[in-house]
Amino acid sequence: EAGVAQSPRYKIIEKRQSVAFWCNPISGHATLYWYQQILGQGPKLLIQFQNNGVVDDSQLPKDRFSAERLKGVDSTLKIQPAKLEDSAVYLCASRINNEQFFGPGTRLTVL
Amino acid sequence: GQSLEQPSEVTAVEGAIVQINCTYQTSGFYGLSWYQQHDGGAPTFLSYNALDGLEETGRFSSFLSRSDSYGYLLLQELQMKDSASYFCAVRDWDSGNTPLVFGKGTRLSVIA
Repeated sequence: EAGVAQSPRYKIIEKRQSVAFWCNPISGHATLYWYQQILGQGPKLLIQFQNNGVVDDSQLPKDRFSAERLKGVDSTLKIQPAKLEDSAVYLCASRINNEQFFGPGTRLTVL
Repeated sequence: GQSLEQPSEVTAVEGAIVQINCTYQTSGFYGLSWYQQHDGGAPTFLSYNALDGLEETGRFSSFLSRSDSYGYLLLQELQMKDSASYFCAVRDWDSGNTPLVFGKGTRLSVIA
């Protein structure tokens, strides 16, 4: 069984630029999450999808972050414009029962 | 809201036993999970406790006391490869959704 795929693995941009991350969850997993993990901290939920609908986006900074999962499969997370404090690893995960499966993450550096 | 407390760092000797504690405060508790994350890697699932008691999976065990809002992860026969960060996470019931909220993590260093 293939795991959660994410791309790119690394991204370096300058502040005020835009960036997009892509995630393909494990086949058949209806629930998809995006997390932000700042160095030395635990993952922080940004948004949760159930199929192609948003379940929870209460912690998503909507003035600059957006996410979509149009066909209920893969998902994209966008930041526009980026700030220095957005430097973090962005993790995508999908869930079956009580277990979340995480992708390798995208390490974003904002200069 | 939710909050979780776990030690920031623990050091233990190869072959020994180590216990990582987690206390939590949440409005609607659903279950406690543990995840392992090696440097540069993704978190991987270790265990989930919804009911009081001890769950054992090989060298790892996880315990939950709902009345004390407390759980722990027990690692036995420590190996060097167990050096990693360990996160407790609560599944919290909130308006029909059950998001996962992570603690800040405990960095375990296994020394020879």
